[in-house]
Amino acid sequence: EIVMTQSPATLSVSPGERATLSCRASQSISSNLAWYQQKPGQAPRLLMYGANIRATGIPARFSGSGSGTEFTLTISSLQSEDFAVYYCQQYNNWLSGTFGQGTKVEIK
Amino acid sequence: QVQLVQSGAEVKKPGASVKVSCKASGYTFIGYYMHWVRQAPGQGLEWMGWINPNSGGTNYAQKFQGRVTMTRDTSISTAYMELSRLASDDTAVYYCARDHGAVAYVDYWGQGTLVTVSS
Repeated sequence: EIVMTQSPATLSVSPGERATLSCRASQSISSNLAWYQQKPGQAPRLLMYGANIRATGIPARFSGSGSGTEFTLTISSLQSEDFAVYYCQQYNNWLSGTFGQGTKVEIK
Repeated sequence: QVQLVQSGAEVKKPGASVKVSCKASGYTFIGYYMHWVRQAPGQGLEWMGWINPNSGGTNYAQKFQGRVTMTRDTSISTAYMELSRLASDDTAVYYCARDHGAVAYVDYWGQGTLVTVSS
């Protein structure tokens, strides 16, 4: 089973500041990693895939990096609409466990 | 534009079954795998399985094997997820989610269907 571990569980950030979210896989998943954003009462939304490719319509302030087992999602300057829960997901092998437990980005 | 429209909320008693539908539009239904993902109240995302709408082939998470059945009706571009022997901890929002291709990442999500299991 592949365990995806996100840190921190909660990140308190002021608007305009930088946010850095981490995701670690228990074994190598190459670059088969996606990030999703979820706001209360809404379905998740795809942000990134291939570890560092922004999905259609995602602002440039979102960037992803990493490969293998260590990954990072960076939001360069937090806007009010960015406060949400972020999930990483490995798709190297769906049968082996897939989503991290989430990081909540809240207003400081 | 791609849309996944799910059936409405359900309330079920323990031991019953529930069947959730997901009607796809805006793309070729048989060209993309469909996943089902659930989210218990206040919890994270849990993958349940996928279906290949073209062949009808499925793959289920081990946790749900024997209790979940995913089917599709290509004539109406609709996928279904049926979960049997419901218990209170099956209370969750159930999402259908379109795979970008063939077992890759998810690029579109349905709006979710709340299933409440209560006696």
